[in-house]
Amino acid sequence: QSALTQPASVSGSPGQSITISCTGTSSDVGSYNLVSWYQQHPGKAPKLIIYEVTKRPSGVSNRFSGSKSGNTASLTISGLQAEDETDYYCCSYAGRSTPYVFGTGTKVTVL
Amino acid sequence: QVQLQESGPGLVKPSETLSLTCTVSGGSVSSGSYYWSWIRQPPGKELEWIGYIYYSGITNYNPSLKSRVTISVVTSKNQFSLKLSSVTAADTAVYYCAREDSAHDAFDIWGQGTMVTVSS
Repeated sequence: QSALTQPASVSGSPGQSITISCTGTSSDVGSYNLVSWYQQHPGKAPKLIIYEVTKRPSGVSNRFSGSKSGNTASLTISGLQAEDETDYYCCSYAGRSTPYVFGTGTKVTVL
Repeated sequence: QVQLQESGPGLVKPSETLSLTCTVSGGSVSSGSYYWSWIRQPPGKELEWIGYIYYSGITNYNPSLKSRVTISVVTSKNQFSLKLSSVTAADTAVYYCAREDSAHDAFDIWGQGTMVTVSS
């Protein structure tokens, strides 16, 4: 099972919106509405920010939103803030034999 | 609130077995609502799911590591553990334990992570 493909980097100015893509296959992203997104600051553990493609855990800012079309999931950060500058990873359920596959990771830069 | 804490040696010699333990506090590893996973991240690289265990002992492993991985649970100690045999430098990584909410198939709580270096 190969890693999901994410752009290495995405940048935007404060207040703007950016979108991070996460491309998989018909065996993972395309087959299940079980894509999650994680925010990871340097030296810290990942933090869940989106689950089941579009849902936000309690306490996560509504500036984070998720969507999916076909084999590609997306994370949108609206009203970009300096604190959003860090790494983001997607993850998809991929079936019983290899339940979870992560994305390659995207570094978000706030210009 | 529920917290996870990894523990174990930070340095392992090549060909030996890496052993880590995750202690769960503020909750129970015996809860039927969760699976308990190990996930690793080599320096500067992406996350890799290693495997999970359910409180009953049911396990599932990443096929790429399956021949070398054993995950076990000790409910009386509220802990679960990882053993990875025949390690090489490619196994050098930060190792995280995490709770997976079975209702949502997402990792909602993570340990802080522990760096394990494979070197002689």
